[in-house]
Amino acid sequence: DVKVTQSSRYLVKRTGEKVFLECVQDMDHENMFWYRQDPGLGLRLIYFSYDVKMKEKGDIPEGYSVSREKKERFSLILESASTNQTSMYLCASSPGGGDEKLFFGSGTQLSVL
Amino acid sequence: AQSVSQHNHHVILSEAASLELGCNYSYGGTVNLFWYVQYPGQHLQLLLKYFSGDPLVKGIKGFEAEFIKSKFSFNLRKPSVQWSDTAEYFCAVNAYLTGTASKLTFGTGTRLQVTL
Repeated sequence: DVKVTQSSRYLVKRTGEKVFLECVQDMDHENMFWYRQDPGLGLRLIYFSYDVKMKEKGDIPEGYSVSREKKERFSLILESASTNQTSMYLCASSPGGGDEKLFFGSGTQLSVL
Repeated sequence: AQSVSQHNHHVILSEAASLELGCNYSYGGTVNLFWYVQYPGQHLQLLLKYFSGDPLVKGIKGFEAEFIKSKFSFNLRKPSVQWSDTAEYFCAVNAYLTGTASKLTFGTGTRLQVTL
């Protein structure tokens, strides 16, 4: 089974802190994604990557950046956390090459105080 | 840009009732369509998908969905729901935008509550 692992299940940070959310997948997938999930808003795409060192903005990239130095790892960075970034963050991966099924991690619930 | 609308935000059904959850998308090109489900406390998982061919697709746990191109719809159905179907359901559409990566856009979700 594909495994997408997010480093933290719950995280509490203070406004202005730099926050790193880590995601690792073990199936050699080409594509990786970061979404945030908020009640009533569904899942919104922050950034995605289709290759090492490649990244593309999603629908709500403001206030975020990403890093993909290795194929299996995709990091989401909040340069200066704000309270409106309190959310559930979901990492996902997909094989690419026409197979678009997404495999999701368990999520990181981030609270910014 | 593509968008997805799920009109039912919260649905409450009794066990054995039939289910239909609406999903409409807006995108003029070729799309792939998905339904994902999130059971309480669990991660999102794929329920079913449509890529091409027969517009009626069958997924896991007795769910099916019908792609109606003329209506830009991909409604999810189940003839008889069970208490264990209580979950949040997300419709998603996939449009090819960049290289081989596809950008999956999700709807806002429908929370289904099945009562005994």
